[in-house]
Amino acid sequence: AQKVTQAQTEISVVEKEDVTLDCVYETRDTTYYLFWYKQPPSGELVFLIRRNSFDEQNEISGRYSWNFQKSTSSFNFTITASQVVDSAVYFCADSSNTGKLIFGQGTTLQVKP
Amino acid sequence: KAGVTQTPRYLIKTRGQQVTLSCSPISGHRSVSWYQQTPGQGLQFLFEYFSETQRNKGNFPGRFSGRQFSNSRSEMNVSTLELGDSALYLCASSLESVNTEAFFGQGTRLTVV
Repeated sequence: AQKVTQAQTEISVVEKEDVTLDCVYETRDTTYYLFWYKQPPSGELVFLIRRNSFDEQNEISGRYSWNFQKSTSSFNFTITASQVVDSAVYFCADSSNTGKLIFGQGTTLQVKP
Repeated sequence: KAGVTQTPRYLIKTRGQQVTLSCSPISGHRSVSWYQQTPGQGLQFLFEYFSETQRNKGNFPGRFSGRQFSNSRSEMNVSTLELGDSALYLCASSLESVNTEAFFGQGTRLTVV
């Protein structure tokens, strides 16, 4: 069965620190899709990235980078030089080709000035 | 390009009543999914509609139902409300499926008293 684990419930850093949010997934499917979403206090989920199971290339987008490792079933998210505006709840999710997103419990990131 | 619109943003209902929530997806998107977010259970998949047909269903009781119209707008209905139905209900809009990309609305916060 699908399962996504975000072991870090809350993380607190000081501005400009780097921070890594962990995500471990479980699936029996060979084709699956992994996602990261950001949920600011306003409530909507903001799409950050999607990876499919056949593409293990790491990705960098500005201060954001993602490390996908099938060998450890992990899809970790790093924010470099964090800013106060990065404070939010971050969710990792897997759709495993089922057409429905299975979310982790989320990691609350607090970036202090 | 307009985003995903959910109405109303906030609702307060009494136990036993019923409620209807609305979601207007991004123009051209044919898939609409609904998720329930609570502090205890996190984000859980309710159902997905594609071209007016329910394509996927989560593990929720029959009190939760939905439909999709020919213009892709979707509604979800909860009958005989219980206190535990208090949650943020999020709608996701996708071109074909969440496996590609899913854009979320700001949600409807339902409080049952």
